[in-house]
Amino acid sequence: EIVLTQSPGTLSLSPGERATLSCRASQKIGSNYLVWFQQKPGQAPRLLIYDASSRATGIPDRFSGSGSGTDFTLTISRLEPEDFAVYYCQQYATSPWTFGQGTKVQIK
Amino acid sequence: QIQLVQSGAEVKKPGASVNISCKTSGYVFSNYAIHWVRQAPGQRFEWMGWINGGSGYTEYARNFQGRVTISRGTSASIAYMELTSLRSEDTAVYYCARGGRIRPLDSWGQGTLVTVSS
Repeated sequence: EIVLTQSPGTLSLSPGERATLSCRASQKIGSNYLVWFQQKPGQAPRLLIYDASSRATGIPDRFSGSGSGTDFTLTISRLEPEDFAVYYCQQYATSPWTFGQGTKVQIK
Repeated sequence: QIQLVQSGAEVKKPGASVNISCKTSGYVFSNYAIHWVRQAPGQRFEWMGWINGGSGYTEYARNFQGRVTISRGTSASIAYMELTSLRSEDTAVYYCARGGRIRPLDSWGQGTLVTVSS
């Protein structure tokens, strides 16, 4: 199965700063079928980015995804107060679908 | 709008089974799949399997084969997930989510907490 490793584990930043989150796969992800989710405490995940770089419906353009093959990045250009949460990557190219362990973006 | 509403929290004893429902609305059920994913405390999300809302085809993760059954309602836009032979490690929040065979999970249920304890 494809193992996804996210880094860093925790990111401490201030509102207005730029956040860069990494997701590395143990093998190539076909067709770049990788998504990024945001999860806040007590809530279900929310889809942000699909196919590595396409924003989901209603997602602000400060969120962007990039990468291909085995290395992927989620960038939040300017952090808003509501962006402090945990972010997960997940691949849906190969069964079993697998998830990264998450990156927590917290207020510095 | 698209909604997935799951059944309520469950407390089960080891060895028992749990059945969770996922009632959908706001889209054509047969055009999408429903996936089930769980999140145990301190653990990664774990994908359990999926059902094609139209054909009823199912696929299960190897870790759950033999213990999980995903099904759909005969007339309503609803999916079910049954997990048998529960053990303490199955304590988790279980989510249903709309997706496809190679389509992202774009809408999620609110989650159902299953607690397995003697």
